[in-house]
Amino acid sequence: DTEVTQTPKHLVMGMTNKKSLKCEQHMGHRAMYWYKQKAKKPPELMFVYSYEKLSINESVPSRFSPECPNSSLLNLHLHALQPEDSALYLCASSPTANSGNTIYFGEGSWLTVV
Amino acid sequence: GQQLNQSPQSMFIQEGEDVSMNCTSSSIFNTWLWYKQDPGEGPVLLIALYKAGELTSNGRLTAQFGITRKDSFLNISASIPSDVGIYFCAGQYAGNNRKLIWGLGTSLAVNP
Repeated sequence: DTEVTQTPKHLVMGMTNKKSLKCEQHMGHRAMYWYKQKAKKPPELMFVYSYEKLSINESVPSRFSPECPNSSLLNLHLHALQPEDSALYLCASSPTANSGNTIYFGEGSWLTVV
Repeated sequence: GQQLNQSPQSMFIQEGEDVSMNCTSSSIFNTWLWYKQDPGEGPVLLIALYKAGELTSNGRLTAQFGITRKDSFLNISASIPSDVGIYFCAGQYAGNNRKLIWGLGTSLAVNP
């Protein structure tokens, strides 16, 4: 079983709603990631946090707002999303953000924007 | 964005058969990772490779980091129905580059 826990498993939200996705890991990893995945496609990197600081933003629209309250938690705040944002959102972590560190994924949160 | 060449795109095999899939890149990677993803779930790490020429096994799975550092293969021996899923390769550059470069996946179906 994955040690990266994501909640909720499923989320349906309207285009004017504000919601959040949450991710937690207790492996002592200091790098955490948000990925977006469409059906039958590989995951696409959105954000990387290293030592609780945002280190990479892959030109993600501002309607997605990440937050890292501490080394174990990672949130993704959602506001004014579009139907095309519907996807599987994956959280991941690794010991550090350097290469050579294996990245472990959570089970994902299925987001549907209506 | 950049992607790896992963083949085959899909496979339909009989239970008990061996499976082989591979990924190639025009760039040199420092790390190769192989993940399996079941429908509705996140990718699960199968094998991680960190050294050119490295051959690593995990049960019925065997993967190798190509000597040129531009390719990797994954073999599954004696397939079983629960091997069904999408298999992704991912490569990572040397240095402080955190981004994984992904293959497009190999969809495996196993006929019992």
